[in-house]
Amino acid sequence: AQSVTQLDSHVSVSEGTPVLLRCNYSSSYSPSLFWYVQHPNKGLQLLLKYTSAATLVKGINGFEAEFKKSETSFHLTKPSAHMSDAAEYFCVVSLPPYNAGNMLTFGGGTRLMVKP
Amino acid sequence: SQTIHQWPATLVQPVGSPLSLECTVEGTSNPNLYWYRQAAGRGLQLLFYSVGIGQISSEVPQNLSASRPQDRQFILSSKKLLLSDSGFYLCAWSRPAFGGYTFGSGTRLTVV
Repeated sequence: AQSVTQLDSHVSVSEGTPVLLRCNYSSSYSPSLFWYVQHPNKGLQLLLKYTSAATLVKGINGFEAEFKKSETSFHLTKPSAHMSDAAEYFCVVSLPPYNAGNMLTFGGGTRLMVKP
Repeated sequence: SQTIHQWPATLVQPVGSPLSLECTVEGTSNPNLYWYRQAAGRGLQLLFYSVGIGQISSEVPQNLSASRPQDRQFILSSKKLLLSDSGFYLCAWSRPAFGGYTFGSGTRLTVV
């Protein structure tokens, strides 16, 4: 079985300071990992994905995440927060074989608040 | 490029009324299609998925049903809405070989 835990339900940072959103997964196999962002009343947008290539993954809007197998973590970071980054962020895991019967498992989400 | 369309964006329906939400995908063929629900302050719950026309798998027993009348069309329905059906409904698609999901913009359903 696979599971994913987002360690913080809410994170608050000041504009211009670094962002760290934490995610740990549980899997017996090499997973694919994703981060999605959701702005209020909007669909989910893919920020970045890890699929067994480089362990440091760069995504859109200046976000990046590092896959650490030894720590079973896939934390999302950004050097400097913008007001527009305020949103809900979801860490997602999936395992091979990739088919419709092998669903994505979503973390509970982290709400990022950015203070001016 | 592939796009996914979901409508309506918002919907207010009385208890006991029917529901039909539609999702279509363009620019790809034979996608896997999914319906998710997101209740207020909660994560995403997979409701249905489909790997082909007429093939529907239900993840959660409920008051809802899904249909896939065409390859790139996925419909979420209910004969009689309940208050508990309120939420944010998201359609998504993925390639059979996978690579992540692409989500629609969502439908905010309020049952009153």
